[in-house]
Formats: sequence, structure tokens, C-alpha cells
Amino acid sequence: GAGVSQTPSNKVTEKGKYVELRCDPISGHTALYWYRQSLGQGPEFLIYFQGTGAADDSGLPNDRFFAVRPEGSVSTLKIQRTERGDSAVYLCASRFKPAGDTEAFFGQGTRLTVV
Amino acid sequence: GENVEQHPSTLSVQEGDSAVIKCTYSDSASNYFPWYKQELGKGPQLIIDIRSNVGEKKDQRIAVTLNKTAKHFSLHITETQPEDSAVYFCAASRTGFQKLVFGTGTRLLVSP
Repeated sequence: GAGVSQTPSNKVTEKGKYVELRCDPISGHTALYWYRQSLGQGPEFLIYFQGTGAADDSGLPNDRFFAVRPEGSVSTLKIQRTERGDSAVYLCASRFKPAGDTEAFFGQGTRLTVV
Repeated sequence: GENVEQHPSTLSVQEGDSAVIKCTYSDSASNYFPWYKQELGKGPQLIIDIRSNVGEKKDQRIAVTLNKTAKHFSLHITETQPEDSAVYFCAASRTGFQKLVFGTGTRLLVSP
């Protein structure tokens, strides 16, 4: 597709359940990022992939959060034992190359609600 | 680590007026400063960016200025239109570091 695609758009889950959020970056973009945006706040960095490997996961809040990018394209953010505090919009972004001073393209996000 | 502060948090203007949003950053090594526009239910979209080797950049009704000494940068929108209404975020990053650090956002409302 032309842009970064995220699925699902909305996800409601019960506390304690496991969820997976998917990101399909722009074709050819090697760098992929996950951010989390709480209500009324700016996006906060979670993790960065260069190719298949997680080059920086310093933003993951705890070990319930994990992300993979097995083939260097699509990425999945996985959250175990969800808590109500995990409710937020999860944004994915990609860059053509891993340069911090180039444009990052964002998807529309997945709104996660934990009830 | 880097910290970006943004103000005002809300800004209401009349159509045709100018709007100015200001951000300050803490990391003197930051060298890339993008501005994003986010409409309801959508992801952030880049509207303009500036690098530290430039003091000002303009694109039609939008301009960004950067003061490296003071570590602040501003977004200027002239001749505002109702479709400019959205939340605007500033951000900062630097070469060699991948993450963008965002401000807390400014909700701009342009009234007809």
C-alpha cells in the first residue's frame, strides 16, 4: 500500500488477556517504530527495528510488551496480561532508512481499550 | 534524555489570523525538528521539518523557525483556515538516535 497500515483499527479486550497489534510499513522502508499515545499526550517511543532486529527497545514499559519483525517487513506488537493502564493508541511508523533526521511516516494507529 | 516542552496547549483563532506554536528542547545535540498535524482518529502527518543547519523554512502558509542558542523552535501558520483545526505536535531527534521525542501537543481551533 501507499502508507503505513495498522490493524485492527480498534481493539477492545478484557483485563488479563493477550493482544497482538499489526503494522505493515511502507514497502522498502527498513526502519520501523512503535509509539504509544495516551489521551491528550504526544506519542511516546516504545521500540525501533532495523531490518529484523530490535535495535532499541528502551521504551517498552515492562516485560509484558514484546514486538517482532521476523521478515524485516510486517511487525507485531504483543501485549501479555493486559492492564487497564495499557489503554492507548498504538502508532507504528516507518522510515526509508534508519536516519534520525529523516521523515517518519505514521500509520493511523490501533486504539486499544482494556476493560 | 531529551525533553520537549510545547505551548500553548490550546489555541483559538479566527479564520485568516495567524497562529504560533512554540517548543523548547533540552538536548543541545538535537538536530532534526519535525512538526506533525494529527486529525481526529488519524495518525500524525508531517507538515514541515527543519534541520539545525537552517534557521528558517517556509512552505506556503506554514513556516518554522529555529533558535539553536536558545534551544527553541516555532511553527507559524498564516491566513488560517478552518481545515487547519487539528492537534499539532513538535518533536526533536538527532543523528544516530532513532526515536522522536514529542511535545504534548497544541489543539488549534480555527473559527470561521
